[in-house]
Amino acid sequence: DSGVTQTPKHLITATGQRVTLRCSPRSGDLSVYWYQQSLDQGLQFLIQYYNGEERAKGNILERFSAQQFPDLHSELNLSSLELGDSALYFCASSASRGNYNEQFFGPGTRLTVL
Amino acid sequence: GQQVMQIPQYQHVQEGEDFTTYCNSSTTLSNIQWYKQRPGGHPVFLIQLVKSGEVKKQKRLTFQFGEAKKNSSLHITATQTTDVGTYFCAGGGDSNYQLIWGAGTKLIIKP
Repeated sequence: DSGVTQTPKHLITATGQRVTLRCSPRSGDLSVYWYQQSLDQGLQFLIQYYNGEERAKGNILERFSAQQFPDLHSELNLSSLELGDSALYFCASSASRGNYNEQFFGPGTRLTVL
Repeated sequence: GQQVMQIPQYQHVQEGEDFTTYCNSSTTLSNIQWYKQRPGGHPVFLIQLVKSGEVKKQKRLTFQFGEAKKNSSLHITATQTTDVGTYFCAGGGDSNYQLIWGAGTKLIIKP
């Protein structure tokens, strides 16, 4: 158990819909990262937050947005969903904002868009 | 933008054979991290290398960081079924905040 929690574990929805994925980082970690992993593919970095502020942006679509709240939990919002958005979405956390910090991954949310 | 190329994409080995995955960057990396993702699981941190030419060992796993800090490798000696999974490298790039992830190498043990 990494200490990072993600809800829900599974999500099934239809094209055009909007969903919210939630992540609670390890106690004390200030950075949260979101990743997308399509079937048998690598990890696509989406976005990083540090202590409530956006720190780095990867290949995140305009239909996707995220935020980190004062209690440090984070949400990833996916809107106007398409079939190709079906994937495993991981949240990770680390103690600080730099790239020397080990990242702890949550169990992921599996999103299926029908 | 910066990229880290990881090869091979897949490697099939007999149990007991060795396994190696390689990561290459066109630019100097500040550090490199290695993660393992078991089938159906999430990535788990294995190790970080920071110094030029650094070599670290964890039991049957040997990690190397190149002298120019542009490449790295993970070598597993005498693979076991517990080694099955996908191994990812992730390098620190120009930005202090972001890791650049390799595409991963999937280790498959032949029955």
